[in-house]
Amino acid sequence: QVQLQESGPGLVKPSETLSLTCTVSGDSDYWTWIRQPPGKGLEWIGNVYHSEKTKYNPSLKSRVTISKDTSRRQISLTLTSVTAADTAVYFCARGLYRLDYWGQGKLVTVSS
Amino acid sequence: QSALTQAAAVSGSPGQSITISCTGTSSDIGSYNLVSWYQQHPGKAPKLMIYEVSKRPSGVSDRFSGSKSASTASLTISGLQAEDEADYYCSSYGGSSTLLFGGGTKLTVL
Repeated sequence: QVQLQESGPGLVKPSETLSLTCTVSGDSDYWTWIRQPPGKGLEWIGNVYHSEKTKYNPSLKSRVTISKDTSRRQISLTLTSVTAADTAVYFCARGLYRLDYWGQGKLVTVSS
Repeated sequence: QSALTQAAAVSGSPGQSITISCTGTSSDIGSYNLVSWYQQHPGKAPKLMIYEVSKRPSGVSDRFSGSKSASTASLTISGLQAEDEADYYCSSYGGSSTLLFGGGTKLTVL
């Protein structure tokens, strides 16, 4: 059974950088970050695959970085220059197009 | 990269069948048999219900089925039960390692 756990600050100030870590219990070539603003739908943020290749949502591409640390079994997400519009529950999941295991999600609020 | 289109809400009575549609384009749903469906209960993470258009993961009830025609995918839930009340999201591979989500459909079991 694969398990994923998101961790990181729950409150980030506007214009600062959001940083989250997803610790996983199993391995895979494909990991994805998704977010969900309060009361809204899911938004694909991006993925990391084959350990170092990445693909990002064009709407976030200039601000987002996803990386994988295989030795620590962690997938990281950083989002720079955040605004209130980045307030959301952030999920990590295993897979590229078939997301079969998900973390419980981490609520990140952007507020001063 | 545009989101896939889903109806905002659908409802049905216990025992009935409902279908949720997900409309994309020839560049996503129309090009790949890589449509997935997710069920999300309030405050919970989404759960994979259907992948590759019509395949069910182990443990998912056979009351859930998926199909696709051209650029529109569909999720059918037969024999509606109270616990099926949830939000449902479709997704599709968009090419070049990208993923698209639908806006979500709220299912109410009357």
